[in-house]
Amino acid sequence: SQQGEEDPQALSIQEGENATMNCSYKTSINNLQWYRQNSGRGLVHLILIRSNEREKHSGRLRVTLDTSKKSSSLLITASRAADTASYFCATDASRADKLIFGTGTRLQVFP
Amino acid sequence: EPEVTQTPSHQVTQMGQEVILRCVPISNHLYFYWYRQILGQKVEFLVSFYNNEISEKSEIFDDQFSVERPDGSNFTLKIRSTKLEDSAMYFCARASPLSGNTIYFGEGSWLTVV
Repeated sequence: SQQGEEDPQALSIQEGENATMNCSYKTSINNLQWYRQNSGRGLVHLILIRSNEREKHSGRLRVTLDTSKKSSSLLITASRAADTASYFCATDASRADKLIFGTGTRLQVFP
Repeated sequence: EPEVTQTPSHQVTQMGQEVILRCVPISNHLYFYWYRQILGQKVEFLVSFYNNEISEKSEIFDDQFSVERPDGSNFTLKIRSTKLEDSAMYFCARASPLSGNTIYFGEGSWLTVV
């Protein structure tokens, strides 16, 4: 399998609920980034967590990183219909010259 | 920090034609990247460009592709002799020392090869 795999592949929730998406990777990293993509649009940077960090918050977003398990999670609290999008994790392996993206989680938030 | 601006937003081209996709220049950005995303698939790294040179490229980035930033102007991706399978969204991205390792993406250029 490939560097950066998210699960679940798809997630449907009601507005107000929390959404948790997970990402696993295989090689050592310097940092891990989460991006959001609305259908047919560009990638919006959400949050970057460094390999020496375990948790990071930004508004309703909470990202955790467990380097021993090579995994990360993105939690969106109190979800809104506008959060409907695909969410990708991306890692930089040993070099910061490129990001390796996961397959993404498609989040659907119903009003 | 400003996002990357790409042109065109959408281009339809005949198979075999050459296509040039552009990023609007931001003077203090040092690192540029091209990624692509075939419809419904993951985002794939193509090439990174630093100090007017390619610093890394993927297996996808073969002789059909080239990048340049002539005279510090637009950062371009040229695709020669396009094939149907080149149809994808192409993203320009950038990073600067001020943003640490954060890489910011443009809105993308949809390329449709017919």
